[in-house]
Amino acid sequence: GDSVTQMEGPVTLSEEAFLTINCTYTATGYPSLFWYVQYPGEGLQLLLKATKADDKGSNKGFEATYRKETTSFHLEKGSVQVSDSAVYFCALSVGGTYKYIFGTGTRLKVLA
Amino acid sequence: EAQVTQNPRYLITVTGKKLTVTCSQNMNHEYMSWYRQDPGLGLRQIYYSMNVEVTDKGDVPEGYKVSRKEKRNFPLILESPSPNQTSLYFCASSTRTSGSNEQFFGPGTRLTVL
Repeated sequence: GDSVTQMEGPVTLSEEAFLTINCTYTATGYPSLFWYVQYPGEGLQLLLKATKADDKGSNKGFEATYRKETTSFHLEKGSVQVSDSAVYFCALSVGGTYKYIFGTGTRLKVLA
Repeated sequence: EAQVTQNPRYLITVTGKKLTVTCSQNMNHEYMSWYRQDPGLGLRQIYYSMNVEVTDKGDVPEGYKVSRKEKRNFPLILESPSPNQTSLYFCASSTRTSGSNEQFFGPGTRLTVL
């Protein structure tokens, strides 16, 4: 079945370090891909999305490219800030339906 | 302010005592969904609704019921809660133009079943 696999955390970085959080997926059809972020004590918020192969989603300095050949959607940011500390979820929506599959989440901690 | 609200935010109950968690959105969204979040398992979809009176099962529907009698409300019902339903629950909503639409999440309901 459809699934999303994320790298396990926690990921601890110093401020201004480069961030990569890996995400790979398995899906039938053509899913849309998402990254959501969850700050402590809050619900999830959409960070970025991509709806077809080779699309690049970007927001707040974060980027991810929909790679169909490697079934990946890795999240990157060139210079993280303390305020980026949160849990990041990779997700897909199953093509043609409204079912959503989320990864297990990766906790990011950025130290000043 | 556009938002999804859930009530209660925290609930401690005992096995077998029926409960309802309410969810309401003020964005006129057609699509609404319930998730549970558990450590190491991420978010798993319980039920979703495409519109009034239209609901469908997600990946983990056992032990839950939902109803969608009004567009803005999508309550989650646990008829006979059990300890394995202790979890953090999120309601979400979105427009229904495609499956790539952004979901807006509520603040969560932390449920403990003793």
